[in-house]
Amino acid sequence: QVQLVQSGAEVKKPGASVKVSCKASGYTFTNYAVHWVRQAPGQRLECMGWINPGNGNTKYSQKFQDRVIITRDTSASTAYMELSSLASEDTAVYYCARAQAPESSSWFDPWGQGTLVTVSS
Amino acid sequence: EIELTQSPATLSLSPGERATLSCRASQSIYTYVAWYQQKPGQAPRLLIYDASNRATGIPARFSGSGSGTDFTLTISSLEPEDFAVYYCQQRNKWPLTFGGGTKVAIK
Repeated sequence: QVQLVQSGAEVKKPGASVKVSCKASGYTFTNYAVHWVRQAPGQRLECMGWINPGNGNTKYSQKFQDRVIITRDTSASTAYMELSSLASEDTAVYYCARAQAPESSSWFDPWGQGTLVTVSS
Repeated sequence: EIELTQSPATLSLSPGERATLSCRASQSIYTYVAWYQQKPGQAPRLLIYDASNRATGIPARFSGSGSGTDFTLTISSLEPEDFAVYYCQQRNKWPLTFGGGTKVAIK
């Protein structure tokens, strides 16, 4: 079945960077965009950006534009999200989610299980 | 950025009752809205896409309606497993945005 499996929880100090992975299975990885969405405590879900695994094209939300990089490794069917200059407000669960097309805005199905990133000194 | 406002914030109902959840957009999003269910400790699950289409495997008691700026998710008869938080999401314009959620709680 179509599945996204994310890397494990991370604890980082303020100012550090974190890189979360998302391994896809059950479908052709290069045919569907992978989005990254975060959920901070008490906050609504936020879209951070996406990547077209077929050609590597990316698009980022303006809020995260300067701090996020989304990449992929097609040989491993894996997408990555790296967030830099972490602050306590970045403590959140980070999800990857598959779109329904390579690059268009879409709904998300399925989602990864989520990766908790805790930023604490 | 398109803002989505969900109401009510909490809906307290009993199993077997009908649930009606609302999502209002700050500008027209045509029918480009999806609904998700999220249970504690789990990722969101797609229920409805493009306002009224049920996702694969979603029971018929879930239905969606609306267009333009006003959308509704209806659960015709609540089952015990339906008590959760529900989010709407728009795909009309980047950045894609979500509503703040409606919690359906057991009365």
